Amino acid sequence: EAQVTQNPRYLITVTGKKLTVTCSQNMNHEYMSWYRQDPGLGLRQIYYSMNVEVTDKGDVPEGYKVSRKEKRNFPLILESPSPNQTSLYFCASSLWGSSYNEQFFGPGTRLTVL
Amino acid sequence: GENVEQHPSTLSVQEGDSAVIKCTYSDSASNYFPWYKQELGKRPQLIIDIRSNVGEKKDQRIAVTLNKTAKHFSLHITETQPEDSAVYFCAACSGNQFYFGTGTSLTVIP
Repeated sequence: EAQVTQNPRYLITVTGKKLTVTCSQNMNHEYMSWYRQDPGLGLRQIYYSMNVEVTDKGDVPEGYKVSRKEKRNFPLILESPSPNQTSLYFCASSLWGSSYNEQFFGPGTRLTVL
Repeated sequence: GENVEQHPSTLSVQEGDSAVIKCTYSDSASNYFPWYKQELGKRPQLIIDIRSNVGEKKDQRIAVTLNKTAKHFSLHITETQPEDSAVYFCAACSGNQFYFGTGTSLTVIP
């Protein structure tokens, strides 16, 4: 089944404790992206990747890191989480050729930073 | 960067009526405009999209229109049904980056 998976789905942590949220897709998509969703703010892009070893900042990259060592995986790293990073996080992927294509979203990761 | 504004934030319609959601964008370089539907507790899912070289696109009860000169695009849902109740997000893609509106909560009253 074609899908985007994220782990964990729920995470409660404390300020300053490094964490990683994994994202994996099995559709051989070039483009992968991370978003955070906050009430009243919609979805905001954190980082995106056009392909392996190619990553770029989105609209709200501060406090986050990403890597793209393999085409299928795009982990989101919070090296020193703070309470303002409490949010719902979505990973998404799409084909990326000469034109845009549908982004497929993962199920979301609800993160709480105390 | 790009700025996408979406209105209204909430919308209630009677079943069978039409619903219209409007978005404006600021960056004339934006050239792809998808619309997503997000049901409560679920992930966003694409319902329709339009590219900048097209003025209108329709898929059954859903249509999107784009006015590049005025920098606005709209989602039209006809013959609304209770299962259309959800939050709808517009987005604009500039370069390889996506910018989303703040969402419209649509309620279809049976």
